[in-house]
Amino acid sequence: AQKVTQAQTEISVVEKEDVTLDCVYETRDTTYYLFWYKQPPSGELVFLIRRNSFDEQNEISGRYSWNFQKSTSSFNFTITASQVVDSAVYFCALSNNAGNMLTFGGGTRLMVKP
Amino acid sequence: GAVVSQHPSRVICKSGTSVKIECRSLDFQATTMFWYRQFPKQSLMLMATSNEGSKATYEQGVEKDKFLINHASLTLSTLTVTSAHPEDSSFYICSARPLAGFVNYGYTFGSGTRLTVV
Repeated sequence: AQKVTQAQTEISVVEKEDVTLDCVYETRDTTYYLFWYKQPPSGELVFLIRRNSFDEQNEISGRYSWNFQKSTSSFNFTITASQVVDSAVYFCALSNNAGNMLTFGGGTRLMVKP
Repeated sequence: GAVVSQHPSRVICKSGTSVKIECRSLDFQATTMFWYRQFPKQSLMLMATSNEGSKATYEQGVEKDKFLINHASLTLSTLTVTSAHPEDSSFYICSARPLAGFVNYGYTFGSGTRLTVV
């Protein structure tokens, strides 16, 4: 069974602050994929990143960075110098190797205030 | 890039009527499509998985006679909510997994359908 836990249901920050969204996962698979998606108020899911279980390198993309720690089963997401446009719900998700099962965490609602 | 078109984006229907939602992969073939439901301020919950040419697999608690899924081709899957009731009001979103290989392409999501049953 797969499980994804996003302990933070809501986070509120002021613009330009850094913010980290936590994600902890459980799986019995040795090969799996982790994802982060952004869901703005319009509802569509915006793909942010996919990481496979064998690649523990941290990744940076502009103001976004991800820290994958296999030892603690965590895949945290940091936004540096947050902006109002970053306000959205962010989902962490876990897929098995075959890609026929994608499990979402409960989501974290991020509010960035001007 | 891979695009999934989902229609309609919004629909309001009367209680007791049926509503069909289409999910179409525009530039790739999808062996598998997933249908999710999302209630306000909640996460996405998988309703069913459909494979082209075969019956859909429904998650526990999802009524297959109420939520009819058809995946007749590698580019089109439809979800029909039959005899809709106000409690079926929700955001429905589909996702497609490409035939070419999940490893390289991952999932592609439609833009979602907001269903309101009055």
